[in-house]
Amino acid sequence: AQTVTQSQPEMSVQEAETVTLSCTYDTSESNYYLFWYKQPPSRQMILVIRQEAYKQQNATENRFSVNFQKAAKSFSLKISDSQLGDTAMYFCAFMKPNSGNTPLVFGKGTRLSVIA
Amino acid sequence: NAGVTQTPKFQVLKTGQSMTLQCAQDMNHEYMSWYRQDPGMGLRLIHYSVGAGITDQGEVPNGYNVSRSTTEDFPLRLLSAAPSQTSVYFCASSYQVNTEAFFGQGTRLTVV
Repeated sequence: AQTVTQSQPEMSVQEAETVTLSCTYDTSESNYYLFWYKQPPSRQMILVIRQEAYKQQNATENRFSVNFQKAAKSFSLKISDSQLGDTAMYFCAFMKPNSGNTPLVFGKGTRLSVIA
Repeated sequence: NAGVTQTPKFQVLKTGQSMTLQCAQDMNHEYMSWYRQDPGMGLRLIHYSVGAGITDQGEVPNGYNVSRSTTEDFPLRLLSAAPSQTSVYFCASSYQVNTEAFFGQGTRLTVV
């Protein structure tokens, strides 16, 4: 079974600084998807970024980028120019294509606080 | 553009009561699922459906039932609520099982 580990329960960063959230996963699959979801205090789950395992290029979305290290099974999220609105829980998630039982496996989350 | 709509947003139940959490999506997605979120546990899959008339169990299905009579709706039923079911529940939908999941705003359920 796949597992996702987020080793940082809480982090904080000064506004405008850069922060990196860690995520590691365990799988024997060669093809899969990885996601970062953001959950602000409103509770809404918002997709931040997605990475396909077969792509070597790291995904980027504006201020958000990932460092995907397939051999190390590592998928960290970098937030540049942090903003107060980035304060949220961040969840790393794994998906095995065409799986039926556990389509999305989540880590336990990292609570990020952006400080003015 | 409603997306995924969950009702109610908050609910308090007494132990032994039953209730249904509603979930509806207007994106014509085939795949729908229910998760529960507990402190320090992330989100865990309860039940899912790959299309109308088809449902299956996820990681933590005990105490919950689902049905999928239409593409749009995927209600979650608690048969006899227990304090261990106190949690935040999320419904999600996606076009296919391995595409981006869209989440509802969650239901905070407290069982006393």
